[in-house]
Amino acid sequence: NAGVTQTPKFRVLKTGQSMTLLCAQDMNHEYMYWYRQDPGMGLRLIHYSVGEGTTAKGEVPDGYNVSRLKKQNFLLGLESAAPSQTSVYFCASSYLGGQRETQYFGPGTRLLVL
Amino acid sequence: TQLLEQSPQFLSIQEGENLTVYCNSSSVFSSLQWYRQEPGEGPVLLVTVVTGGEVKKLKRLTFQFGDARKDSSLHITAAQPGDTGLYLCAANTGNQFYFGTGTSLTVIP
Repeated sequence: NAGVTQTPKFRVLKTGQSMTLLCAQDMNHEYMYWYRQDPGMGLRLIHYSVGEGTTAKGEVPDGYNVSRLKKQNFLLGLESAAPSQTSVYFCASSYLGGQRETQYFGPGTRLLVL
Repeated sequence: TQLLEQSPQFLSIQEGENLTVYCNSSSVFSSLQWYRQEPGEGPVLLVTVVTGGEVKKLKRLTFQFGDARKDSSLHITAAQPGDTGLYLCAANTGNQFYFGTGTSLTVIP
């Protein structure tokens, strides 16, 4: 099992460009999440999905869109990148939601917006 | 405003020393989790505590959930260089997880 994989590992964008980050999991998990991690801020939830075809906003959703067309994939889109979106992006998945669930994280995507 | 505040933010100690890091909130949680993150990788779950006053041990790591379920602590005994990393606490509020600001620990050989 590969667990949670993220593509790409690193990307540089110019302000105004668009891109899509891909997250894939092979554990048949229902829940998937996208976080961003900034120095001194911990991890902040951008969007999440509780199952195929569903998405919901997290703590910091502005400037991002997501789609979950297939259970194993969760895509994060930036339509018009801004320097404030420079960050490390982590995808995670869990079997179900709830307080005792373990989240499994991918290795991260480092995004630099110039 | 952070839902979960961790302290200290940075900690650098010598191998063999003991340390404690804290995770505090003004909110009550039904459970709290601790994760460790190594450089260039995603966080990995260490433990989940669910009962007020609960203490869990994982080898040299001891986790405690506060009686009022608003805070938690992580104590490491005889720290080793392999303990180096970012320690994050997290709380679940329905479908969402909120993470603390993190404690970056460096153990010097």
